[in-house]
Amino acid sequence: DTGVSQDPRHKITKRGQNVTFRCDPISEHNRLYWYRQTLGQGPEFLTYFQNEAQLEKSRLLSDRFSAERPKGSFSTLEIQRTEQGDSAMYLCASSVGTAKNEKLFFGSGTQLSVL
Amino acid sequence: AQTVTQSQPEMSVQEAETVTLSCTYDTSESDYYLFWYKQPPSRQMILVIRQEAYKQQNATENRFSVNFQKAAKSFSLKISDSQLGDAAMYFCAYRRTRGSTLGRLYFGRGTQLTVWP
Repeated sequence: DTGVSQDPRHKITKRGQNVTFRCDPISEHNRLYWYRQTLGQGPEFLTYFQNEAQLEKSRLLSDRFSAERPKGSFSTLEIQRTEQGDSAMYLCASSVGTAKNEKLFFGSGTQLSVL
Repeated sequence: AQTVTQSQPEMSVQEAETVTLSCTYDTSESDYYLFWYKQPPSRQMILVIRQEAYKQQNATENRFSVNFQKAAKSFSLKISDSQLGDAAMYFCAYRRTRGSTLGRLYFGRGTQLTVWP
């Protein structure tokens, strides 16, 4: 069990460019979540996968954002035509178990800076 | 909508002393889960303690305990015998028990805890 892995750890990009982040959950975890954390705020939910199915998307996930989880393993989060307001830390978490005992394991996040 | 409020942006405590972090929340539901997460400089969110709303008994995990006041919608975290390694940002979070948002956490803004030697 190596934990939830996120890559890259930091990403600096220019406004208008596309960026893609990757998350490798703990193996055998069927649930995967993406959160966004801006400076001075707690994490905010973006989207949720159960296996390969994307079951929920927050209204924060504009049309420029897309997430995938092919084959129910790793997940990618892509942001197209980045804006300065997209600057934030993007956290991934995975879990397994029932609603009663579910425990989220978070990665260390990808810090995005849009110049 | 569920909202979680942490009114203390910063707190500090002397090593070996006790500190209490405050959290209030707003919900119309009767059953839910509450959590405290710790986020050290490594940025990885770590679960500290969880409380199920239908349980009246306050949760404890070693030096960490909560004071859960359901009627007042209050959920404070007490850290006893504080250690230098407890220094971190602490987030209070809420989770529903049913509906499409299962597994979705609502976080407060956090309290930055400093531990002085």
